[in-house]
Amino acid sequence: DSGVTQTPKHLITATGQRVTLRCSPRSGDLSVYWYQQSLDQGLQFLIQYYNGEERAKGNILERFSAQQFPDLHSELNLSSLELGDSALYFCASTLTGAVNTEAFFGQGTRLTVV
Amino acid sequence: DQQVKQNSPSLSVQEGRISILNCDYTNSMFDYFLWYKKYPAEGPTFLISISSIKDKNEDGRFTVFLNKSAKHLSLHIVPSQPGDSAVYFCAASGVNYGQNFVFGPGTRLSVLP
Repeated sequence: DSGVTQTPKHLITATGQRVTLRCSPRSGDLSVYWYQQSLDQGLQFLIQYYNGEERAKGNILERFSAQQFPDLHSELNLSSLELGDSALYFCASTLTGAVNTEAFFGQGTRLTVV
Repeated sequence: DQQVKQNSPSLSVQEGRISILNCDYTNSMFDYFLWYKKYPAEGPTFLISISSIKDKNEDGRFTVFLNKSAKHLSLHIVPSQPGDSAVYFCAASGVNYGQNFVFGPGTRLSVLP
């Protein structure tokens, strides 16, 4: 158990809809990262937050947004969903947001858009 | 443009033998490298890391080698066990690169009994 909790584990929704994925980092970790893994692909970095502030942005679509709340949990909002958004979405956390350390991952949310 | 490459999508090894997983990177600003293991329906699990100031790091059956001049790293698993069967991701990061980790596409290792 990595200590990172993601909910829900599975989500099935229709095209055009909006969903919210939730992540609780390890206790004490200040930084949260979101990654997308499409079928048989590597993990694509979407966005990072540190202590409530956006720290870095990767290949995140404009239809996607995220935030980190004062209690340090994070939410990833995906809107106007398309079939191609079907993927595994992982959240990871680190203590300080420094990159020269390991990140701990949650079990992921599998999103299926039909 | 893939900055971290794992050119072998899959690898099969006999139990007890050595598994060697390879990873190449293109960005010289990377100075920290990690290996993650992923089982189906689970998130990636941190395995071992290496800083660019070293060329080798060992943890039990797992050893990572870094060749900075070749921009190449490898993960050795000795001896391989059936429980090692998983997808292995190489990842890179750097203090001067940015605040995120860049992952390779993964190599699926199958250890045959």
